[in-house]
Amino acid sequence: GAVVSQHPSRVICKSGTSVKIECRSLDFQATTMFWYRQFPKQSLMLMATSNEGSKATYEQGVEKDKFLINHASLTLSTLTVTSAHPEDSSFYICSARDRASNPAYYGYTFGSGTRLTVV
Amino acid sequence: GEDVEQSLFLSVREGDSSVINCTYTDSSSTYLYWYKQEPGAGLQLLTYIFSNMDMKQDQRLTVLLNKKDKHLSLRIADTQTGDSAIYFCAEYSSASKIIFGSGTRLSIRP
Repeated sequence: GAVVSQHPSRVICKSGTSVKIECRSLDFQATTMFWYRQFPKQSLMLMATSNEGSKATYEQGVEKDKFLINHASLTLSTLTVTSAHPEDSSFYICSARDRASNPAYYGYTFGSGTRLTVV
Repeated sequence: GEDVEQSLFLSVREGDSSVINCTYTDSSSTYLYWYKQEPGAGLQLLTYIFSNMDMKQDQRLTVLLNKKDKHLSLRIADTQTGDSAIYFCAEYSSASKIIFGSGTRLSIRP
């Protein structure tokens, strides 16, 4: 089945530095990828929709200059948390839409998530 | 707007049935999903249901959909310790995005 690889799985960084998280579709082409943030009390918030070759669409309240998204190829999207602060500490999860299949039918494929801790 | 709601916690005895409930607001949702998340892991699609269906059964899982009330439920029969996880209800919205509920943490007691 479709697999999405997310890297790194865990990262600790110092306040003020930037961190890049990668999301790769391993056996399919993903025209669209989604980035979610999961808060400590479980809820999963959609941050942005990343489309290959074009600018990402951010959800209301998400700072586009803080969370830079790049979707340069059909198999890779990256999320860069710039000038990270402790409040950015969270679990970030990506998902990908296989352009060759009915996305709604499959509900998209999710990566295993990245635990970001900013100290 | 789009909104999906679930209760946060559910505790059941091992061997009993678990029923997790969810309500959603987007009446144009065509697909509704149940995902499972184990500790420290990503999301695993458990099952889905089309909006024109009332029920779907898959082994120990039964999904019921009341489209009129915008209510979705997941029943897990013969709940086992391995079923301990967070269960997310989600809808495929009219904007082609998947919107998640807050998740229900299912704990199993002996």
